[in-house]
Amino acid sequence: DAGVIQSPRHEVTEMGQEVTLRCKPISGHNSLFWYRQTMMRGLELLIYFNNNVPIDDSGMPEDRFSAKMPNASFSTLKIQPSEPRDSAVYFCASSPPGREETQYFGPGTRLTVL
Amino acid sequence: KQEVTQIPAALSVPEGENLVLNCSFTDSAIYNLQWFRQDPGKGLTSLLLIQSSQREQTSGRLNASLDKSSGRSTLYIAASQPGDSATYLCAVNGNQFYFGTGTSLTVIP
Repeated sequence: DAGVIQSPRHEVTEMGQEVTLRCKPISGHNSLFWYRQTMMRGLELLIYFNNNVPIDDSGMPEDRFSAKMPNASFSTLKIQPSEPRDSAVYFCASSPPGREETQYFGPGTRLTVL
Repeated sequence: KQEVTQIPAALSVPEGENLVLNCSFTDSAIYNLQWFRQDPGKGLTSLLLIQSSQREQTSGRLNASLDKSSGRSTLYIAASQPGDSATYLCAVNGNQFYFGTGTSLTVIP
């Protein structure tokens, strides 16, 4: 099993640009989570999908952030326009049916907004 | 809102020593608590999951306890090894996951 796949691994962009982060969950998993990790705030849950439907997006910081899951094998997290304070490591995680507490994390995408 | 605190923020111990990492949370209405390990440049690896009805879980040299009424959990690592060096995070699962900021552990050979 390849595990959770995230791309890109590193992204450097300029303020105001659109950024799209991608995630492929583990096959057969039906829950997908997006997290953001910063030194100041630690690891925070941004949004949680179950069966491709957003269940809880209360952690999404503002309207500049949006997430989609068009099918069971792909999700995107988009930031438009990006700001320097969005610089962080973004993690995607997936979990199997009925086991949302058992999350398998991807390697993360390190985003730097200049 | 749930607040999760981990103390200490950093810990350095000689190889072979037993150690305890602490996690406290403010809202005892949780479904479970989970300990993760994070290595530099990598994602999180789940170590132990304790359901709210359980008091402890063990896996190898790791033992995690949960006292829900007092809002505390500990992760005990026995006979520490240099390979245990990593950041350890606890996360409580109530209406959503809340993570602590982690304890950075260094085990000195």
